[in-house]
Amino acid sequence: EAQVTQNPRYLITVTGKKLTVTCSQNMNHEYMSWYRQDPGLGLRQIYYSMNVEVTDKGDVPEGYKVSRKEKRNFPLILESPSPNQTSLYFCASFPQGMGGELFFGEGSRLTVL
Amino acid sequence: GNSVTQMEGPVTLSEEAFLTINCTYTATGYPSLFWYVQYPGEGLQLLLKATKADDKGSNKGFEATYRKETTSFHLEKGSVQVSDSAVYFCALSDRRAGGTSYGKLTFGQGTILTVHP
Repeated sequence: EAQVTQNPRYLITVTGKKLTVTCSQNMNHEYMSWYRQDPGLGLRQIYYSMNVEVTDKGDVPEGYKVSRKEKRNFPLILESPSPNQTSLYFCASFPQGMGGELFFGEGSRLTVL
Repeated sequence: GNSVTQMEGPVTLSEEAFLTINCTYTATGYPSLFWYVQYPGEGLQLLLKATKADDKGSNKGFEATYRKETTSFHLEKGSVQVSDSAVYFCALSDRRAGGTSYGKLTFGQGTILTVHP
C-alpha cells in the first residue's frame, strides 16, 4: 500500500529535550516536505526537500532541522523544543512533475510543556 | 507572495443542504488550485484539483471551478451528507515557467464543516 508513515503519532515532551519525528514514504517520490498545522493558520511549510541531500527552508523553519540521506526518509528534528512548537505536524511527498498534488502522512501531535 | 483566503467557519448544515465554501487566492505565477479534506484524526487527502483557468475539478459530488477573472475556487456540493463532516482546505501550488512545480502548497486557514442528520 502506498503511504507516508510518521512516528510518533503523539508525543508529550518538555522544553529543551531533543526529539525527532520520523517520516518515511514507499512511493519513490523525489519531493518531501514538512508542515505544521495550527488553528486559524492552516498549514505552513517548515522545510522541504527536492531530492536526496537537497533541502531548503519553507515559511517557518526556525527551531527545526531536517536531513535527507535516503530518498524514502525525511526526519524532522527539534534540537531544543519550546512550547510554541506545540502543534500538529504533517509530512508529505510527491513525485516530480505532479503539479503539487501531495500525499500526506496521518500527522504527529506534539506537545511541549 | 502567494496567499489563500477561505470563508471563515465553522459551517453547520443539515443533511441534504447545499454547500458552498468560498476560496480566493493571490498568486504570482501560474497556479494550480486544490481542495484538500481532513477527516477527524486523519491526514489531508486530495479532494479535487484544477490546473488552469476555467477547469472544473470534481470528486465525490463536490465541484470547484478555477475562475481566473475573480481569482476564486469555491467548493460546492448539492446535497451534503453526515459523512462529509470534516475540515476543508483550499490550496494553491505555484508553477514555475515551463509548468513544473516544486511542490510547495500554500494553504488557506481551513473551514470546519459539520453536517447534522
